Amino acid sequence: AQSVTQLGSHVSVSEGALVLLRCNYSSSVPPYLFWYVQYPNQGLQLLLKYTSAATLVKGINGFEAEFKKSETSFHLTKPSAHMSDAAEYFCAVSDLRSNNDMRFGAGTRLTVKP
Amino acid sequence: NAGVTQTPKFQVLKTGQSMTLQCAQDMNHNSMYWYRQDPGMGLRLIYYSASEGTTDKGEVPNGYNVSRLNKREFSLRLESAAPSQTSVYFCASSLRGGNVPDTQYFGPGTRLTVL
Repeated sequence: AQSVTQLGSHVSVSEGALVLLRCNYSSSVPPYLFWYVQYPNQGLQLLLKYTSAATLVKGINGFEAEFKKSETSFHLTKPSAHMSDAAEYFCAVSDLRSNNDMRFGAGTRLTVKP
Repeated sequence: NAGVTQTPKFQVLKTGQSMTLQCAQDMNHNSMYWYRQDPGMGLRLIYYSASEGTTDKGEVPNGYNVSRLNKREFSLRLESAAPSQTSVYFCASSLRGGNVPDTQYFGPGTRLTVL
């Protein structure tokens, strides 16, 4: 079965600094990869997704992620952090054989310091 | 257009009690899902419905049942609640049916405590 590992349960950056949230996946078939964001006391909302088209994917709020097959990674980045980026971020993986079973990582909580 | 709605928002149960969590979507989506979220474990799929009239088990189905009442509604039932089912429950929906991975849209969640 597919799975994802998010390295670092907590990441803290200063406002204006680079944001880098790490995600590695495991899948025996070509994966579909997603990043979701969860603000306090809310449901998840999609940031971006990779579905076998361009390897560099741009999402909302200035986030982007690059699919690297050789490294089995799909790290999320943003050049300059904003206070409003403080939230929990989840990486998720699915594929055409998984029958709607999307697997989520444990999440990374991003803190942005003024 | 409310998206995905869930009721109730909060619930406290005693061990052995039963309850049904309700979920509805107004986006004409084909697939619907129930997840539970526990600290440090991300979201885990309990059950899903790829299309109206079908339901399938996910990663953690034990202790739960579901009903896809119609295309809009997908309910989750706990027949005999246990403390291990204390969690935040999320319903989600996606446009496509079948096996094609698609963006999922999430409800606001139900915070359930079982004493």
